[in-house]
Amino acid sequence: GESVGLHLPTLSVQEGDNSIINCAYSNSASDYFIWYKQESGKGPQFIIDIRSNMDKRQGQRVTVLLNKTVKHLSLQIAATQPGDSAVYFCAEKAAGNKLTFGGGTRVLVKP
Amino acid sequence: DGGITQSPKYLFRKEGQNVTLSCEQNLNHDAMYWYRQDPGQGLRLIYYSQIVNDFQKGDIAEGYSVSREKKESFPLTVTSAQKNPTAFYLCASSTGTGGVEQYFGPGTRLTVT
Repeated sequence: GESVGLHLPTLSVQEGDNSIINCAYSNSASDYFIWYKQESGKGPQFIIDIRSNMDKRQGQRVTVLLNKTVKHLSLQIAATQPGDSAVYFCAEKAAGNKLTFGGGTRVLVKP
Repeated sequence: DGGITQSPKYLFRKEGQNVTLSCEQNLNHDAMYWYRQDPGQGLRLIYYSQIVNDFQKGDIAEGYSVSREKKESFPLTVTSAQKNPTAFYLCASSTGTGGVEQYFGPGTRLTVT
């Protein structure tokens, strides 16, 4: 499959455990923050987003936390499954529809 | 099936040749985008278009060109002026009216030798 990040930071997690993926952003003017999942050889898939006036948002098995004080974003995956193995990117949206992506974190789920 | 398609999945070219990557969407989205992805890096924006017959440069537009003659189509040409064209190219679309979610195609892996 596609090698989307040979030198990405890697998070190894046991199947069934919770995963926490972190991201630092740079633009205080960003109004949305988004998490994407990219499996090998595929395009990124939207997971969840959070508006800048919120500090927490929950989806199905995922929670995004936003700390604007320290410009930090995290994605928590509950009960991690083998299908969660992928590269995860955070992105921030400022004015217009342009997204700025972070460098990505590879998640490896161990059986 | 609604979606965004890119073709081909793998493309090989000789140095000095221009090559055009295809991107088509049937989601009725106004906005379309081209990104480049290299190993160890996130996605970098090449060009984007908010509406038909209009497009803007992204962060790494040098050596690339685009057109947006139809709402459904946003082809990217990698010219011989692009110094490091070998990469994974991703096309995306969004509603364009403040829509946050971008829908991505499967990507085209371009190798130039």
